[in-house]
Amino acid sequence: ETGVTQTPRHLVMGMTNKKSLKCEQHLGHNAMYWYKQSAKKPLELMFVYNFKEQTENNSVPSRFSPECPNSSHLFLHLHTLQPEDSALYLCASSQEPSSSYEQYFGPGTRLTVT
Amino acid sequence: GQNIDQPTEMTATEGAIVQINCTYQTSGFNGLFWYQQHAGEAPTFLSYNVLDGLEEKGRFSSFLSRSKGYSYLLLKELQMKDSASYLCAGMDSNYQLIWGAGTKLIIKP
Repeated sequence: ETGVTQTPRHLVMGMTNKKSLKCEQHLGHNAMYWYKQSAKKPLELMFVYNFKEQTENNSVPSRFSPECPNSSHLFLHLHTLQPEDSALYLCASSQEPSSSYEQYFGPGTRLTVT
Repeated sequence: GQNIDQPTEMTATEGAIVQINCTYQTSGFNGLFWYQQHAGEAPTFLSYNVLDGLEEKGRFSSFLSRSKGYSYLLLKELQMKDSASYLCAGMDSNYQLIWGAGTKLIIKP
């Protein structure tokens, strides 16, 4: 398997549920990212991991909790979400952190919070 | 503040040429990216400009003017499969991408 994969592709959860999104990259990259994409809005960077270390947390609410056990895997743990958190969550990776290398995106998880 | 502006939607005819404009304001500048995103799919990289001028890549070309904070993506010989959203993103001094909301391009036969 190549590229960036994400599971699940679709997720419906209640506001009291706990779920996790998974991302895996098979490109040997050293930087990984979580983005939120809402309709007709710019991509919002949520978290950045460089060599497994979190380097950015763009004022993301604590109900979103990232985890990066190694440079190939990235998780986003979700709990007590709000309906406004419904969006497409995209994972991306790039060859090196803090560089102008392009980012490679996974297909995303379409999250609906009910 | 940092900002990327691009039109929300454009319509063009199959076989024609279309130019999608983007203006940017970033804290420092480390280049301008264009991505293509088909509905329900991941964004895919199209082009990167860091110096002024035109970069050509097949039917797609991208232009940058750093003095004007301006870029455009030029698509030639449009095909129906080019119907997608085109995302402009500027990279700031911290190598973070600042994204536009995307331009939805509709191709008509």
